[in-house]
Amino acid sequence: AQKITQTQPGMFVQEKEAVTLDCTYDTSDPSYGLFWYKQPSSGEMIFLIYQGSYDQQNATEGRYSLNFQKARKSANLVISASQLGDSAMYFCAMMRRDDKIIFGKGTRLHILP
Amino acid sequence: DTAVSQTPKYLVTQMGNDKSIKCEQNLGHDTMYWYKQDSKKFLKIMFSYNNKELIINETVPNRFSPKSPDKAHLNLHINSLELGDSAVYFCASSPSQRERTDTQYFGPGTRLTVL
Repeated sequence: AQKITQTQPGMFVQEKEAVTLDCTYDTSDPSYGLFWYKQPSSGEMIFLIYQGSYDQQNATEGRYSLNFQKARKSANLVISASQLGDSAMYFCAMMRRDDKIIFGKGTRLHILP
Repeated sequence: DTAVSQTPKYLVTQMGNDKSIKCEQNLGHDTMYWYKQDSKKFLKIMFSYNNKELIINETVPNRFSPKSPDKAHLNLHINSLELGDSAVYFCASSPSQRERTDTQYFGPGTRLTVL
């Protein structure tokens, strides 16, 4: 079965520290896409970063980078120099062969001043 | 210049009523989606439309009926609301249904509370 697993329901990190949010996925498809979304307390879903299964390099977008380890089926999100505004729920997601996108249960990140 | 917008943002209603949630995207995307986020924050896809045509229809009660008057709009109509329908409903859009790895852009969500 295809699924996304986020094992950290909650994390507390000191401001300005780097943080890694874990995501593992399970699929037998050779081609897939991996996403990270941020959901602040206001509720909207904000796209952060995308990694294609055939991409040779890890994706980066500003302070966000995706540590993609294909053999381990992991797609961890790394946020460098965390800020108070990074406090939110973070969802890892995967687009399957049938074009459906499935989400993990999320990790709630708290940045401490 | 909101990309994906939903109305209303909050909806509180009695059990048994019929309600609609509207979604519009001004990104020129071909594909639109509806998701339900339950109280445990788990997101599940409900429907997907590509150019006004239904593509994905998950196991959703037929009380839920999506309507797409044009490719920029995908409205969700819910009949005979039940307590279990209380959730946050997200609309999303992506450029193309053919490109399986297209990024989806989400609306702000509609928090539905059924009393």
